[in-house]
Amino acid sequence: DVVMTQSPLSLPVTLGQPASISCRSSESLVRSDGNSLLNWFQQRPGQSPRRLIYKVSNRDSGVPDRFSGSGSGTDFTLKISRVEAEDVGVYYCMQGTHWPWTFGQGTKVEIK
Amino acid sequence: EVQLVESGGGLVQPGGSLRLSCEASKFTFSRYWMSWVRQAPGMGLEWVANINTDGRETYYVDSVKGRFTVSRDNAKNALYLQMNSLRVEDTAVYYCGRPDAPGTVDYWGQGTLVTVSS
Repeated sequence: DVVMTQSPLSLPVTLGQPASISCRSSESLVRSDGNSLLNWFQQRPGQSPRRLIYKVSNRDSGVPDRFSGSGSGTDFTLKISRVEAEDVGVYYCMQGTHWPWTFGQGTKVEIK
Repeated sequence: EVQLVESGGGLVQPGGSLRLSCEASKFTFSRYWMSWVRQAPGMGLEWVANINTDGRETYYVDSVKGRFTVSRDNAKNALYLQMNSLRVEDTAVYYCGRPDAPGTVDYWGQGTLVTVSS
């Protein structure tokens, strides 16, 4: 199975400051069609997961543009340009290129 | 907006069975693959199973193969997860999700809690 490794696992951030989460896969996520099926999900306390980013860098409708995804191959990053209070929660990367789909351990974002 | 509502969770003894349901609405259910994902208490997310549009293709994580069966009824807009030979480690909130494309899930239900304990 493809192992997804996130860092850091805990991320205290000051309001208005940027934040960055790394996600590394044990195998390349590039498919034969050239796409990499790397997603980012946000899970606020007590809520279901919500997709933020799909195919590395495509932001979902309604997701603020302060969220951005980047990367290729085995190295991916989620960036929040200016953290707001509503961004508190756990963020997961997930690969859908290989069966079984696998998630990172999660990164808990909290306000300092 | 797309709605997914899970039900059927509860307390069951080790070795027991449970059937989860997911009622889908506000989208053409028969055109989408569907997924089950679980989350043990205080832990991360784990993909469990996928099923294709007509129910003939199914995929499972190794830890549930031979014990869990995913199925669907397109006439009823319903997704199911039959869970047999349950283990303590199957305790989790089970979410149904809708993949809007390969390798991803765009909508999630609110989840249903399954507790396996004696």
